[in-house]
Amino acid sequence: SQELEQSPQSLIVQEGKNLTINCTSSKTLYGLYWYKQKYGEGLIFLMMLQKGGEEKSHEKITAKLDEKKQQSSLHITASQPSHAGIYLCGADLSGEYGNKLVFGAGTILRVKS
Amino acid sequence: ETGVTQTPRHLVMGMTNKKSLKCEQHLGHNAMYWYKQSAKKPLELMFVYNFKEQTENNSVPSRFSPECPNSSHLFLHLHTLQPEDSALYLCASSQVSGANVLTFGAGSRLTVL
Repeated sequence: SQELEQSPQSLIVQEGKNLTINCTSSKTLYGLYWYKQKYGEGLIFLMMLQKGGEEKSHEKITAKLDEKKQQSSLHITASQPSHAGIYLCGADLSGEYGNKLVFGAGTILRVKS
Repeated sequence: ETGVTQTPRHLVMGMTNKKSLKCEQHLGHNAMYWYKQSAKKPLELMFVYNFKEQTENNSVPSRFSPECPNSSHLFLHLHTLQPEDSALYLCASSQVSGANVLTFGAGSRLTVL
């Protein structure tokens, strides 16, 4: 099984609708990073969360890290076609200096206009 | 433009060819990474260089040979690849090696015939 599980694997929403993507780990998340990827291109950094209960927002995207630090959610309000893409979570699962990030398999978001 | 440039963007090669992927960053970062992204699978970390020194080799087959001549440049030399090596190869950089924000290039799409 993967160290980071993302759900759903894919999502189709009508423009204007809200949606949530989840990232779950069996281990403590010492740092959680959300990225967005356009198909066939590189990843663009969205947000980083480190503290349990932390919540950050950027435009219409809000990310939260739960108190137990084992799950994060990404919420998009009033989705737009520009939100379409692949959303990936990456995490530090050890908290040790110099540790590498592991990533989830991604959630494909399509927005119908 | 993220500040991390990868060339070529697309590459088709036969199994007996030798080719190289190039990555260049203009961000003043000291750590550089190669990731492999295959369809519906999490990003796989391949190599990490920190201040030009390789600090991570994630059990990558020897047909992939990295080179980091300085902190701004990273190469991935390819030799006698297999069709299953076809994937998107992503280069990333960060201020220091470890769990902090990675800046990704747009990727090199490799097809092995």
